[in-house]
Amino acid sequence: SQQGEEDPQALSIQEGENATMNCSYKTSINNLQWYRQNSGRGLVHLILIRSNEREKHSGRLRVTLDTSKKSSSLLITASRAADTASYFCATDELTGGGNKLTFGTGTQLKVEL
Amino acid sequence: DTGVSQDPRHKITKRGQNVTFRCDPISEHNRLYWYRQTLGQGPEFLTYFQNEAQLEKSRLLSDRFSAERPKGSFSTLEIQRTEQGDSAMYLCASSRGLAPPAQYFGPGTRLLVL
Repeated sequence: SQQGEEDPQALSIQEGENATMNCSYKTSINNLQWYRQNSGRGLVHLILIRSNEREKHSGRLRVTLDTSKKSSSLLITASRAADTASYFCATDELTGGGNKLTFGTGTQLKVEL
Repeated sequence: DTGVSQDPRHKITKRGQNVTFRCDPISEHNRLYWYRQTLGQGPEFLTYFQNEAQLEKSRLLSDRFSAERPKGSFSTLEIQRTEQGDSAMYLCASSRGLAPPAQYFGPGTRLLVL
């Protein structure tokens, strides 16, 4: 079953603009990860934030985590056409074993020239 | 290329047939995961191995599904008596046994059951 919802389901922006997508989850977690998936392809790991962290940066990516609200956001700054993809958050649950991931439903991002 | 590889990339089969997919993880990764993804959804966990031991299986994994990792390296996922509802992308991922591990995904095998 899906862990939660991502918002928005689809987002269309112009190149150079920032893109923000949100993720909500249901259970207590060890960490939360964001993945990118280009159309019909495998997933690429972008960034991981631990449950005791509130914000993390990697290049043009900024992730926040609010465990009290069970939510996370991914900000992509200065977007490029190559950022066009689906973005998924995935949680690694405290009660789970082996770090199995539970994915959200994804946000489809389209960056137009 | 030393990433995760999956074979075949595409498979079309008729309902009732058996299919087998293979996953070759990154060589130093001791954990291997299988996920299933249907159109418009995120991947859903099926099962995972630590070395050759299958440690967890989702209730999504009916008795028609079986997975093996005989020598702790490559893994196979077999679906017996396929049904149209099995049509999906089957994704394999691997990770090191360290916490917190990122999972590295293969390109997936897209299955279509006619």
